[in-house]
Order: sequence, then C-alpha cells, then structure tokens
Amino acid sequence: TQLLEQSPQFLSIQEGENLTVYCNSSSVFSSLQWYRQEPGEGPVLLVTVVTGGEVKKLKRLTFQFGDARKDSSLHITAAQPGDTGLYLCAATTDSWGKFQFGAGTQVVVTP
Amino acid sequence: DTGVSQDPRHKITKRGQNVTFRCDPISEHNRLYWYRQTLGQGPEFLTYFQNEAQLEKSRLLSDRFSAERPKGSFSTLEIQRTEQGDSAMYLCASSPQRAGLAGKEQFFGPGTRLTVL
Repeated sequence: TQLLEQSPQFLSIQEGENLTVYCNSSSVFSSLQWYRQEPGEGPVLLVTVVTGGEVKKLKRLTFQFGDARKDSSLHITAAQPGDTGLYLCAATTDSWGKFQFGAGTQVVVTP
Repeated sequence: DTGVSQDPRHKITKRGQNVTFRCDPISEHNRLYWYRQTLGQGPEFLTYFQNEAQLEKSRLLSDRFSAERPKGSFSTLEIQRTEQGDSAMYLCASSPQRAGLAGKEQFFGPGTRLTVL
C-alpha cells in the first residue's frame, strides 16, 4: 500500500488547458515536496510546503498543502508542452530522516 | 559544485555480476539518500546516511546490496550477484541538515540506469 496516493495516474490535455493533480495520505506530514521528472533524468524539486493551508505559486503552477497537512494539490494554468513530465509528491515527518514518494502522475500536454 | 552527480549514467551487466555506483552529493549537504525507481513508479527509498553513518535501510535492500559513505562525502552502492529484477534507475539525493525549510528539501542526481541481462 502506497503511503502517498497520487491521482490521476495519467493525464493528457491540450495546450492552454488547466489541470490539477492530487497527493493524498492518511498520515500527517511536517513537509511535502513536489517534483517533476523527465525520462532518463532525476526528479527536479519544484516546491516545498510546510504549513497547513499554505499556498505557493511558481509562475503558472499553484501548490496547496491541506489544512491538516495530509494532502496537497498542484494546479497548472494554461499548460504548455514543456509542462509534460512525471509529477511526484514526496513527504517526510519530523521523526523521519527519509522521504516517501507517491507513484506519480504522468502529464502529457500536446500542442 | 552545481549539483548531485552520479556515475556511471548507464550500466549494462550480465546476471550474476557485481556492479558499483558512485554518488557525489552537493558539497555542504551531510545527508545522502539512495532510491530505486522502476518504470512508471515513484522512487522507492533504499537507505540514507547522515555524514558517514548509515541511519536507515529499507527492507528492499537485500543482503546483496551494500552502501557506504566512508568519509561522509561521496557514497557507493554495490549490488552483488545481480538479478534481472535489479534492473531499474538508481537515484541519489542529498540534503542539508538544517532547521527550517532548507532541511526539508532534497536534491537529486541524474541517476544510474542499470540493465541486467
């Protein structure tokens, strides 16, 4: 059983459309990270959220951490082909040294 | 030093052979992590170090796997008697041990793609 559940598993949209991907858990985390990974490369850190209810914006990307710090969402506005990739969430707790990952959401944006 | 580096980027080996991968973390980062990732999945935690001490090992890390970080800088991951099921991307990441946000972020290398024939 995956500690972090990501949905949907796959998302294909046209350029210019909006999309939202989700990361859910029954556990409470001290921080949650979002990464984007392209084929054959390591994940690239996009953002870290630590406060319940926190919203962070990175250009067309908006990240939200749930009030209870159990879930998060990533919203992309006016998606572009360059947004194509595997979006991963990862989380940790204060008592852990390690990070746990979700299975990822594969996003494909077609021109 | 601009990021985490891993060597080699690709490794093809025959079943039963031993392989060793190297990871060089960001220089001021004292935490180093190893993950394994198969196609269509997220990275699975294998082990992590704080300086030279190996603090945790996943149950995924069988006796054929061993990791070291002898001087608290670079790390090696060795797989003995490789099996076809070991074929995966092996990722290394590092993070600083600091209070606040910075201590909760990890940065990945490009990975080593292992293919066991």
